[in-house]
Amino acid sequence: DAKTTQPPSMDCAEGRAANLPCNHSTISGNEYVYWYRQIHSQGPQYIIHGLKNNETNEMASLIITEDRKSSTLILPHATLRDTAVYYCIVRSNAGGTSYGKLTFGQGTILTVHP
Amino acid sequence: DTAVSQTPKYLVTQMGNDKSIKCEQNLGHDTMYWYKQDSKKFLKIMFSYNNKELIINETVPNRFSPKSPDKAHLNLHINSLELGDSAVYFCASSSSGTVVPQPQHFGDGTRLSIL
Repeated sequence: DAKTTQPPSMDCAEGRAANLPCNHSTISGNEYVYWYRQIHSQGPQYIIHGLKNNETNEMASLIITEDRKSSTLILPHATLRDTAVYYCIVRSNAGGTSYGKLTFGQGTILTVHP
Repeated sequence: DTAVSQTPKYLVTQMGNDKSIKCEQNLGHDTMYWYKQDSKKFLKIMFSYNNKELIINETVPNRFSPKSPDKAHLNLHINSLELGDSAVYFCASSSSGTVVPQPQHFGDGTRLSIL
């Protein structure tokens, strides 16, 4: 799976949009971009995923650039409970040893302050 | 209504002991995983089972032996515990997507401390 690069930390004011960037310049055509987050002392939580189109769900929006080399996770109205480590992960559906495997990097520590 | 549940939540034991961690999911998924998160907070996959068959084994010491009695359960048995085994162990599950890799759902972890 392609490697991802994220800033180590970001701050956001409560109620404002949080925009978390991710670079995945070596992504290949069959690889999806996934976002998870881990709130302190909890297991990782799935947020959203996409291939090439922008995606939106009840938690967030995912904007993927046209060349697919980077993406941005948007939390439209951040709350204090959104303070967490956010992981951007690239995955394919190829068989073999990569089947099902999530490779977590260091992620971005997002701190939402009042 | 917990989707992926692990027991125990905390496990404190002495070096050299043998212990087991249990995981159950009620999501109807056919694939289950064990991840380890060390003190530096790096999350790494250890094992994955699909329909009770081992499909991923990430060079984990053979003191770690996963067992999947059925698709809803994946237990982790650890022999001769060492200090370096202290970590948080997360269980996860997913469906095996044929086109799109399916999201994984994680439990809340088992905090293992070796004295």
